[in-house]
Amino acid sequence: QTVVTQEPSFSVSPGGTVTLTCGLSTGSVSTSYYPSWYQQTPGQAPRTLIYSTDTRSSGVPDRFSGSILGNKAALTITGAQADDECDYYCVLYIQSDDKYVFGAGTKVTVL
Amino acid sequence: QVQLVQSGAEVRKPGASVKVSCKASGYTFSDYYMHWVRQAPGQGPEWMGWISHHFRATNIAQRFRGRVTMTWDTSFTTAYMELSSLRSDDTAVYYCATEGHSDSGTFYRAVDVWGQGTMVTVAS
Repeated sequence: QTVVTQEPSFSVSPGGTVTLTCGLSTGSVSTSYYPSWYQQTPGQAPRTLIYSTDTRSSGVPDRFSGSILGNKAALTITGAQADDECDYYCVLYIQSDDKYVFGAGTKVTVL
Repeated sequence: QVQLVQSGAEVRKPGASVKVSCKASGYTFSDYYMHWVRQAPGQGPEWMGWISHHFRATNIAQRFRGRVTMTWDTSFTTAYMELSSLRSDDTAVYYCATEGHSDSGTFYRAVDVWGQGTMVTVAS
């Protein structure tokens, strides 16, 4: 079974930088997994931030950036703001099974 | 501008079926995938599958095969997701979301636009 791993929680100071990661139980994450990142506030639909590893979705500010760091996908938030406090989900596309797998999410606290 | 508008909340008894709709507007891609994703209370999202707009092909996650049907209406503007043999653990918000492709035709392998969600409650 394919499991996508994310840190359960992270804290960042206002104006600070935080990097969330997205791993794979079966091995390394590469661009071939088309990592994507989603932001969700309570009671709202997710919002797409990043797709294809590092492409920002329309309207997403450039303080959100995606990359591959080592053997994981990563989402970096620079200049954290109060309204960045919410849940962040990573999704990996598993080409061999033609399926999409969500991570369990990282809860980011800005304080 | 792409918009997805979903149908309203539903309540069903165990064993029943539910059909959620998602009306799409503003899409200019020659083809796109309509994904369905659900999120149980307090849990992360879970991918259920997609249906393509142009070819009407479907790709259903293994755990939902046999219980989920994804279709388009005859005008191909509204997508439907029907889940049968409902259980209490199917209680969730169900989202539709679209995946487009680049100018070269390569799909992005990620969803972009999301519907507002439809709460489905399964309770006796």
